[in-house]
Amino acid sequence: ETGVTQTPRHLVMGMTNKKSLKCEQHLGHNAMYWYKQSAKKPLELMFVYNFKEQTENNSVPSRFSPECPNSSHLFLHLHTLQPEDSALYLCASSQDPDRGQPQHFGDGTRLSIL
Amino acid sequence: RKEVEQDPGPFNVPEGATVAFNCTYSNSASQSFFWYRQDCRKEPKLLMSVYSSGNEDGRFTAQLNRASQYISLLIRDSKLSDSATYLCVVTRSQGNLIFGKGTKLSVKP
Repeated sequence: ETGVTQTPRHLVMGMTNKKSLKCEQHLGHNAMYWYKQSAKKPLELMFVYNFKEQTENNSVPSRFSPECPNSSHLFLHLHTLQPEDSALYLCASSQDPDRGQPQHFGDGTRLSIL
Repeated sequence: RKEVEQDPGPFNVPEGATVAFNCTYSNSASQSFFWYRQDCRKEPKLLMSVYSSGNEDGRFTAQLNRASQYISLLIRDSKLSDSATYLCVVTRSQGNLIFGKGTKLSVKP
């Protein structure tokens, strides 16, 4: 069983659709993250959850809405996305973000907006 | 100045070559440093942490120079399987990781 699993692996949606990305970690970590990776750009941190509480929102548009029901699960709800939102969305987890520990990534969801 | 800067490459080297990647960071308060590896269309994976004293893991050696805010990764006897993008990663003061754009390595037979 992999440490961090993301579903779906691929998603194609129209600009008016609503969909959700799911992430689950089996590592017993306390922090979870959403990143966006666009072509030829570094990973961009979107949201941080530490012990289920959101501790960072990096000026992400409101069409992206995270949800963290418990420390093992993280969702990213998508609504009215734009073509420029097409990217690889990566979920990660770490034991303790305040100590700058390494993060473990899921396989990512490749999102295409039509 | 970008928080983390890397030479984007690509570095094209023959098998068996030694290759070095450099990285500079702007936040002097950064406490933790890592090298990650990312294969094409895959997720980043931790390669190694970087310590002030330098550390080695097989063919890989990482060095940190806090005074110069500079990190390096040396790969000796490169293999075809080393072909990937290598990401330099540092922490912000509150602990979140900041990723560089990565340096692409292509090892040729």
